[in-house]
Amino acid sequence: DAGVIQSPRHEVTEMGQEVTLRCKPISGHDYLFWYRQTMMRGLELLIYFNNNVPIDDSGMPEDRFSAKMPNASFSTLKIQPSEPRDSAVYFCASSPGTTIYFGEGSWLTVV
Amino acid sequence: SQQGEEDPQALSIQEGENATMNCSYKTSINNLQWYRQNSGRGLVHLILIRSNEREKHSGRLRVTLDTSKKSSSLLITASRAADTASYFCATDSPNAGGTSYGKLTFGQGTILTVHP
Repeated sequence: DAGVIQSPRHEVTEMGQEVTLRCKPISGHDYLFWYRQTMMRGLELLIYFNNNVPIDDSGMPEDRFSAKMPNASFSTLKIQPSEPRDSAVYFCASSPGTTIYFGEGSWLTVV
Repeated sequence: SQQGEEDPQALSIQEGENATMNCSYKTSINNLQWYRQNSGRGLVHLILIRSNEREKHSGRLRVTLDTSKKSSSLLITASRAADTASYFCATDSPNAGGTSYGKLTFGQGTILTVHP
């Protein structure tokens, strides 16, 4: 298996623009997670899905963030409008129920 | 506040020495896991220890768990320069039914630097 695949790997965008991050989890994994990592706040869980259903979105910073999982092999995290404080590494991860497998991350810079 | 908090925040050692990192947590757990993150990369799972286990080994890694103190330690023996990375503990806490929520809560990590 190729592992968790994220795109884009790097994105630089201007404040106010919409950003869409994409994720393909490992086939057969029931759980999908979106994490954000910054120096100041460490690794934060934004939202996670079980069998494509959002279970806990309490970590989503505000209404500008939304996440969808239309099927078992695809998820998106959208930020609209983006702000400089959203600059971070966004990780998608999937799990069969115990160990979590991370993608390589999407490095987002909002200028 | 973080469920898992690592100590020290940073550790610098020479190749061949042992590295010990500690993790404390606040609530009951089903299991505790350790992950490694190389610079610019995603986290990679290293080892899992269940709440009813006290010690576990994997290669040069040794993990201990003390549920009475709500703490765990990760020992890397005979460290190598390639072990340079950040190390995170993560806890899986039970839901009301005692089973897993499926999510992990990560600590802030320990940055390990191994000098050749």
